[in-house]
Amino acid sequence: AQSVTQLGSHVSVSEGALVLLRCNYSSSVPPYLFWYVQYPNQGLQLLLKYTTGATLVKGINGFEAEFKKSETSFHLTKPSAHMSDAAEYFCAVSRNDNYGQNFVFGPGTRLSVLP
Amino acid sequence: NAGVTQTPKFRILKIGQSMTLQCTQDMNHNYMYWYRQDPGMGLKLIYYSVGAGITDKGEVPNGYNVSRSTTEDFPLRLELAAPSQTSVYFCASSLETRAPGNTIYFGEGSWLTVV
Repeated sequence: AQSVTQLGSHVSVSEGALVLLRCNYSSSVPPYLFWYVQYPNQGLQLLLKYTTGATLVKGINGFEAEFKKSETSFHLTKPSAHMSDAAEYFCAVSRNDNYGQNFVFGPGTRLSVLP
Repeated sequence: NAGVTQTPKFRILKIGQSMTLQCTQDMNHNYMYWYRQDPGMGLKLIYYSVGAGITDKGEVPNGYNVSRSTTEDFPLRLELAAPSQTSVYFCASSLETRAPGNTIYFGEGSWLTVV
């Protein structure tokens, strides 16, 4: 069975500081990995995803994530936080099995950006 | 470019009342999902469908029913509303093509309160 853990339900950073949101997964087969962002009162939007190939993935709004198989991690980073980055971030795992696609979401990390 | 549309956005129900959350997508996706989101719990899968006429239970199906008569529509029915069903509900869809890492697309959410 797959599972996703996100260390820290709430992370606060100062504007301009590095953003680091942690995601670890467990999966019996190589997974596909996603980061979604949810702004207040909105649905989830795809930030970036890893499927195959290069392990450093760049997404929208200056975010990137690196797939580290040895650490079963897919941490999300951004060099310089902006006030507009304040949102909830969800890491997700999916894989294709005999019955189709199975998504599992982490519990989410709320990012606050302080002026 | 509508994507996934769900209605209503906000609703207050009395205990024991019934209602249907509507969901429609215009991307010709074969997979559709209903999730509920509770604070600190991430997204929990209620029901999903792999195509018209086919539905299956997710992680938390009790108290809900679904139908999938067309590719576009996937309504979620609450028969006897209970306070435990107070939550934010998200409809989502994806295209299952066996390509790696298909993206799941979300609606904007429906905020339901049962009093």
